[in-house]
Amino acid sequence: EDQVTQSPEALRLQEGESSSLNCSYTVSGLRGLFWYRQDPGKGPEFLFTLYSAGEEKEKERLKATLTKKESFLHITAPKPEDSATYLCAVQAQRKLSFGAGTTVTVRA
Amino acid sequence: NAGVMQNPRHLVRRRGQEARLRCSPMKGHSHVYWYRQLPEEGLKFMVYLQKENIIDESGMPKERFSAEFPKEGPSILRIQQVVRGDSAAYFCASSPTGESGYTFGSGTRLTVV
Repeated sequence: EDQVTQSPEALRLQEGESSSLNCSYTVSGLRGLFWYRQDPGKGPEFLFTLYSAGEEKEKERLKATLTKKESFLHITAPKPEDSATYLCAVQAQRKLSFGAGTTVTVRA
Repeated sequence: NAGVMQNPRHLVRRRGQEARLRCSPMKGHSHVYWYRQLPEEGLKFMVYLQKENIIDESGMPKERFSAEFPKEGPSILRIQQVVRGDSAAYFCASSPTGESGYTFGSGTRLTVV
């Protein structure tokens, strides 16, 4: 069974304080690794898809990287509006398997 | 181009009643997925459907839960004889190919009293 573990569970940052979120996974036949952002009371919002080890993608202050066993989401110089829960998911069969998420709080 | 539409946003049911959750996928998307999210937990896969077919229901409880995606109209997740443990947020996602481009709706928050 696919397993996705995210750490830390929660992260409190000062505005401008860069940090990284980790997503480690065990899956047979990875077809894609997905990052989503979820705000309270809303559905997950797509950020990135990574398909192979070594791949990197960037969007504004976020950068996602992928190795054979884990993915990192780097947040550079975060702002309060980056506060959210960040979800990692793997696709092996025809569905996404999610981790429990990392809740990021950025203080001004 | 509207996103994935779920309704109702909030649903309150008494124990023993039926709950019907609706999901209209994005235009051009024929693959629909249902997920359940309990407080402080991640999203758990329930079922994957294409038009008129259930592709994977490995995450769906064997009793009281059913899902359909008819040729016309929205996908429906039906929960019969609800119990307090069914209280959760239920999310629907759609995809054009089943391989990528998963877009989620805003969810239906079910409360069983």
